[in-house]
Amino acid sequence: GAGVSQSPSNKVTEKGKDVELRCDPISGHTALYWYRQSLGQGLEFLIYFQGNSAPDKSGLPSDRFSAERTGGSVSTLTIQRTQQEDSAVYLCASSLGVRTGETFFGQGTRLTVV
Amino acid sequence: DQQVKQNSPSLSVQEGRISILNCDYTNSMFDYFLWYKKYPAEGPTFLISISSIKDKNEDGRFTVFLNKSAKHLSLHIVPSQPGDSAVYFCAAGLTSGTYKYIFGTGTRLKVLA
Repeated sequence: GAGVSQSPSNKVTEKGKDVELRCDPISGHTALYWYRQSLGQGLEFLIYFQGNSAPDKSGLPSDRFSAERTGGSVSTLTIQRTQQEDSAVYLCASSLGVRTGETFFGQGTRLTVV
Repeated sequence: DQQVKQNSPSLSVQEGRISILNCDYTNSMFDYFLWYKKYPAEGPTFLISISSIKDKNEDGRFTVFLNKSAKHLSLHIVPSQPGDSAVYFCAAGLTSGTYKYIFGTGTRLKVLA
């Protein structure tokens, strides 16, 4: 497809389990972002990848969160030992990486921790 | 510490009238601003942007105004249409360093037919 693709679209998991969220950015986009939106909140920045540079992880809320981007394309966000407060919509976005390039978002993964 | 604030969680406007959505920011270093629109169960879509060297940018029915001294920007939609009903997010960032944008909490616009 031409857009940013995220999977799964919905995920329900038990507290304490690990989850992996996947993002396929737009082909050719060098910049990739993960955001999350908790109920009633804005979009919270989590992590940013740009080309081969070290990722900006400044938004990750705890060391239970990690992300990888393999081959400069697909990215996986992993949450270990999930907690109920991790419940949110996790959004991936990509852009060409130029300073004012438009950022395209995926449809998000709704994570519910029960 | 909310660097980008949208103080109105919701707004209702009659079809054909002007919708004005407001956004305030605290970091005077921000030099690039964007508005995104989000429909339920979809990711946000880019609407319009403005650089800090400008005070106005227009694209069809959408105009963004930037008041740097007040650290305030607004999005005007004229005329408003029922299809504009969505949640609108403003975002601010720096064009140097990393490209991450700080988003506001969003304003839900409802355009009444």
